[in-house]
Amino acid sequence: DIVMTQSPEFLAVPLGERATINCKSSQSVLYSSSNKNPLAWYQQKPGQPPKLLIYWASTRASGVPDRFSGSGSETDFTLTINSLQAEDVAVYYCQQYYSSPPMYTFGQGTKLEIK
Amino acid sequence: QVQLVQSGAEVKKPGSSVKVSCKASGGTFTNFAISWVRRAPGQGLEWMGGIIPIFGRAYYAQKFQGRVTITADEATSTAYMELNSLRSEETAVYYCARNSLVAPSWFDPWGQGTLVTVSS
Repeated sequence: DIVMTQSPEFLAVPLGERATINCKSSQSVLYSSSNKNPLAWYQQKPGQPPKLLIYWASTRASGVPDRFSGSGSETDFTLTINSLQAEDVAVYYCQQYYSSPPMYTFGQGTKLEIK
Repeated sequence: QVQLVQSGAEVKKPGSSVKVSCKASGGTFTNFAISWVRRAPGQGLEWMGGIIPIFGRAYYAQKFQGRVTITADEATSTAYMELNSLRSEETAVYYCARNSLVAPSWFDPWGQGTLVTVSS
């Protein structure tokens, strides 16, 4: 199975500042034929299901504010949240969907708080 | 807009089974796949398996092979996840989520979650 490792596990950032979360895969997750990275990011707030933020490593899902952005390729990926808002406090997960037949794996999560 | 609505909370004894349902509305059930993901207290998200209803074909994470059964009823647009031989450490919130039909994909949307408590 592809192992996804996130860092840091905990992150405290002042309001209005930038938060950066990293995700590393144990092997390359790149579709060379399309040059796309099957990597998604989710936000989960307490008592709620996860919410899709980013797919194909950098495409924002519908309705997601543009202060959220994704980048990276092959094995190293980053979720950046600019101008941190109070409502961004949550746990963030990366997920690969490279394997076929599907064997999806998530990172262990990064808990983001306000400093 | 597809919505997924799950069945209510369950309390089970160790060694017993639980069956959770996930009903889709607002979309054509046969046009997508359904996966099941759980989150135990203090833990992260864990994918358990999924199904392509139009084919009735299920696939499972190796960890759950032989202990989980995922099925779907096209007539009622409902997917089911049954987990056997429950252990106390499997107390968790279990979610269903939509996948693409044609290839591995991201999960969107998600059901609201079903809390399964395993306790003697």
